[in-house]
Amino acid sequence: DAGVIQSPRHEVTEMGQEVTLRCKPISGHNSLFWYRQTMMRGLELLIYFNNNVPIDDSGMPEDRFSAKMPNASFSTLKIQPSEPRDSAVYFCASSTRGMETQYFGPGTRLLVL
Amino acid sequence: SQQGEEDPQALSIQEGENATMNCSYKTSINNLQWYRQNSGRGLVHLILIRSNEREKHSGRLRVTLDTSKKSSSLLITASRAADTASYFCAKITQGGSEKLVFGKGTKLTVNP
Repeated sequence: DAGVIQSPRHEVTEMGQEVTLRCKPISGHNSLFWYRQTMMRGLELLIYFNNNVPIDDSGMPEDRFSAKMPNASFSTLKIQPSEPRDSAVYFCASSTRGMETQYFGPGTRLLVL
Repeated sequence: SQQGEEDPQALSIQEGENATMNCSYKTSINNLQWYRQNSGRGLVHLILIRSNEREKHSGRLRVTLDTSKKSSSLLITASRAADTASYFCAKITQGGSEKLVFGKGTKLTVNP
């Protein structure tokens, strides 16, 4: 079975550009999570959805970040405009049991120059 | 703030030895989870232990939970080079909306 799919795997962009990260959760999973991982701050939850509805976006750093889940099989995380401090690995995860037993995608490594 | 804090930050052992990693937390929990992350990869769920459980096994993995000391340990027996990875404990915050909060992890290196 396919796991969580993320694209792109790597993204290099210049400051000020718009960045869109994509995620396809595991089929049948009703919870979806976006995380950011950096050396300094570790792994941080940005936002999560339950049945396509955003439940908690308090981890989203600021208004430059937005996330959508138009249907059960697709979600996007958008950064506009991007800044160098947004450089990190962004993970998408999904689960059938809310916060328990999450399945992570391979991540998108973002570098903002 | 980080709710799960792993100890040690880094651990280097020889193949065949056992590896023990510890996790401490500050507030009460319903369960605690352990995840593994290989370099450049996503996290993989290993074990979930509930607050009414004291020990749980999965293959070469053994997890213990001591709620009185607010600590958990992950033991990997007969380690292999393929066990080289970072290991994270994670707990679900309570109060308000739930979140899964990860510690900074223990970086385990198993030398062949």
